Amino acid sequence: DSGVTQTPKHLITATGQRVTLRCSPRSGDLSVYWYQQSLDQGLQFLIQYYNGEERAKGNILERFSAQQFPDLHSELNLSSLELGDSALYFCASSVDTYNSPLHFGNGTRLTVT
Amino acid sequence: GQQLNQSPQSMFIQEGEDVSMNCTSSSIFNTWLWYKQDPGEGPVLLIALYKAGELTSNGRLTAQFGITRKDSFLNISASIPSDVGIYFCAGNHFPTNAGGTSYGKLTFGQGTILTVHP
Repeated sequence: DSGVTQTPKHLITATGQRVTLRCSPRSGDLSVYWYQQSLDQGLQFLIQYYNGEERAKGNILERFSAQQFPDLHSELNLSSLELGDSALYFCASSVDTYNSPLHFGNGTRLTVT
Repeated sequence: GQQLNQSPQSMFIQEGEDVSMNCTSSSIFNTWLWYKQDPGEGPVLLIALYKAGELTSNGRLTAQFGITRKDSFLNISASIPSDVGIYFCAGNHFPTNAGGTSYGKLTFGQGTILTVHP
């Protein structure tokens, strides 16, 4: 158990809809990261937050947004969903935003039909 | 941007055999990490390497941070059926964002799928 909690585990929704994925980092970790994993793209970095502030952006679509709350949990919002958004979405956390290893949750499997 | 080439893409071995996989990059990384992912779960950290030339073991696993800082390998000795999974290398470097703040950016390899036959 990495200590990173993600909910829900599975999500099935229709195209055009909006969903919210939730992540609670490990106790003591201030930094939260979101990754997307699809079969043909591997693990793609989406966005990083540190202590409530956005720190880095990766290949995140404009339809996607995220935030980190004062209690350090984070939410990833996916809107106007398309079939191609079906993937595993992972949250990871680390102590800082620099060189400490990332610890991953077990992911949310999103299926868009 | 940073690119990692991980090889082999897949391996089929017999229980008891040793395994070796590696990652190379055209750019320098400051940290190398190796993760294992089981079906339906998130990647789990196996080994973290912080210095060029560093050789670190974790049980039957051994990993090294290449001296050029552009490569790393992972060896698994005496494989067992529970070693089955996908192994990812990841390299960390420190770009600076638009606000002038340096941060760690982790880039993942494409993974090595390991199958162990009993």
